[in-house]
Amino acid sequence: EPEVTQTPSHQVTQMGQEVILRCVPISNHLYFYWYRQILGQKVEFLVSFYNNEISEKSEIFDDQFSVERPDGSNFTLKIRSTKLEDSAMYFCASSPQSAQETQYFGPGTRLLVL
Amino acid sequence: AQKITQTQPGMFVQEKEAVTLDCTYDTSDQSYGLFWYKQPSSGEMIFLIYQGSYDEQNATEGRYSLNFQKARKSANLVISASQLGDSAMYFCAMREGAGAGSYQLTFGKGTKLSVIP
Repeated sequence: EPEVTQTPSHQVTQMGQEVILRCVPISNHLYFYWYRQILGQKVEFLVSFYNNEISEKSEIFDDQFSVERPDGSNFTLKIRSTKLEDSAMYFCASSPQSAQETQYFGPGTRLLVL
Repeated sequence: AQKITQTQPGMFVQEKEAVTLDCTYDTSDQSYGLFWYKQPSSGEMIFLIYQGSYDEQNATEGRYSLNFQKARKSANLVISASQLGDSAMYFCAMREGAGAGSYQLTFGKGTKLSVIP
């Protein structure tokens, strides 16, 4: 069964460093999302991406965040200058032909900023 | 106001018994979707079940069913015949909106279910 994959599974970085989190959505899906979950808290929406552009973003997704689909398969989240409060689990998700359909989540990348 | 409310931080259930996890939602949209996801201790988010606001019947997927009461704005998850592997966090989520565009999910705070042998 096709699934969303994410790399790396864990990332430790120093405050102020740039990190890139990678995702490979399910191959025939058209809508892509990033969410984050700070330890012990609920999952929060960051950004959605469709047709090679951002379609929606939350107030969390400020100028230090960016997303890109560099080729036909990868979908990346870049945090330009990490802060301690960026430590969280980051989930990539994708949904098929319509954004009204179910979003399937990847296994997550656990980011720790020191 | 919270869009998704899960009032049970933790629940215990005996193996092989049924359990209901509560979820209430708040939206002014006529078209919306309700989802349940399971998050085991390993951290991944596993889709369980979906209910559309216009669906006449309650959704079912194997041992999972969704008790959808539109007038009360509740979408409770029922797990029948609980298994030890059902021990996890369970999140209720809502997608609002109709028309073209993206539909972010709004999540509740979750319920931690523990299945007792």
